[in-house]
Amino acid sequence: GQNIDQPTEMTATEGAIVQINCTYQTSGFNGLFWYQQHAGEAPTFLSYNVLDGLEEKGRFSSFLSRSKGYSYLLLKELQMKDSASYLCAPLYGQNFVFGPGTRLSVLP
Amino acid sequence: GAGVSQSPRYKVAKRGQDVALRCDPISGHVSLFWYQQALGQGPEFLTYFQNEAQLDKSGLPSDRFFAERPEGSVSTLKIQRTQQEDSAVYLCASTQGSRPSRTDTQYFGPGTRLTVL
Repeated sequence: GQNIDQPTEMTATEGAIVQINCTYQTSGFNGLFWYQQHAGEAPTFLSYNVLDGLEEKGRFSSFLSRSKGYSYLLLKELQMKDSASYLCAPLYGQNFVFGPGTRLSVLP
Repeated sequence: GAGVSQSPRYKVAKRGQDVALRCDPISGHVSLFWYQQALGQGPEFLTYFQNEAQLDKSGLPSDRFFAERPEGSVSTLKIQRTQQEDSAVYLCASTQGSRPSRTDTQYFGPGTRLTVL
């Protein structure tokens, strides 16, 4: 596999900032997607990085370092509805390889 | 249609039964992907179609799993002689073109939850 590593669980407080890290193998890498998945629902697209640097999209930002095989998803001004799993998905060729997901719990 | 649809949403099978899971991608989408998602895990790639051609089936776990997309639209994932370890959510996703990008991401269906008793 592509050895995608992300924390299993994280907990944060409403209104706070949380950073979810992801590392992956760089060989054959074509870009990286982040998806959000609420329990019992389908994954939904959050962000895409193909070049090094930070992509900002409202309360969500994603960073990529191709040389280091590293990405993070930054969530600001956390809301209760952000409680979900966050899936790191590097693209190899035409296929995604999903990480195990990070289950984020946002507490009041 | 408005999005990717899958049927049935839930399926309970006895061990040894055959099952067929259906995916209706977004109309006109070229690429279709099947994933298997175990509880608490990320989706695992099963197979990929570009129109009617199955270009990658490297993720199918055994020869009991078979997928088809004969007319390049609807796809069916068939599992023969189901085993308990086949219990999972089976997700289907489609993209408009042949390669995902920022403007052409995967759209997922709601999944079929398969339980094998």
